[in-house]
Amino acid sequence: KQEVTQIPAALSVPEGENLVLNCSFTDSAIYNLQWFRQDPGKGLTSLLLIQSSQREQTSGRLNASLDKSSGRSTLYIAASQPGDSATYLCAVRPRSNYQLIWGAGTKLIIKP
Amino acid sequence: NAGVTQTPKFQVLKTGQSMTLQCAQDMNHNSMYWYRQDPGMGLRLIYYSASEGTTDKGEVPNGYNVSRLNKREFSLRLESAAPSQTSVYFCASGVWGWAYEQYFGPGTRLTVT
Repeated sequence: KQEVTQIPAALSVPEGENLVLNCSFTDSAIYNLQWFRQDPGKGLTSLLLIQSSQREQTSGRLNASLDKSSGRSTLYIAASQPGDSATYLCAVRPRSNYQLIWGAGTKLIIKP
Repeated sequence: NAGVTQTPKFQVLKTGQSMTLQCAQDMNHNSMYWYRQDPGMGLRLIYYSASEGTTDKGEVPNGYNVSRLNKREFSLRLESAAPSQTSVYFCASGVWGWAYEQYFGPGTRLTVT
């Protein structure tokens, strides 16, 4: 059974730092992996989607990598800003079915 | 373009009461989903509808029913609410396919006392 883990559960860093969020999954047979952002009282917003054949995707200050063989993905945020404060979730789509399997998220706080 | 909308935003129920959560999307997506999110856990799929006229159980369907009213609307019903159903409920829509993304509504925070 696919399981997705995100460590740490919470992270607080000063503004301007580069940071990495981690996501690990137990079964490498995936179609894709997505990173989402969740703001309090709002829905989830898709940030990046990496297909199983890809190694990384970039959008602005965000870069997501995927290493299927080791079951890991990272979300790199460059030059963090207070507006980046949110909960970041990763989700994988297994090859075996339609469902997204979700991590519990990392709550990120960027201190001004 | 409103995306995915959900009503209500907040609801408090007493044990045994029933209610329906409404969801609508205006992106012409064929698939729609209902999730619940509990503290310290990832989202869990309750039910999904791959296309208009079809619905299927997800990971945690017990205690819930759904209706895909048309392509735009997908409702979630709690027939007899229990405290264990206290959660935040998210509706999502997407295009069914190998590289699909899902688009989420703002959520409904439900408390059952």
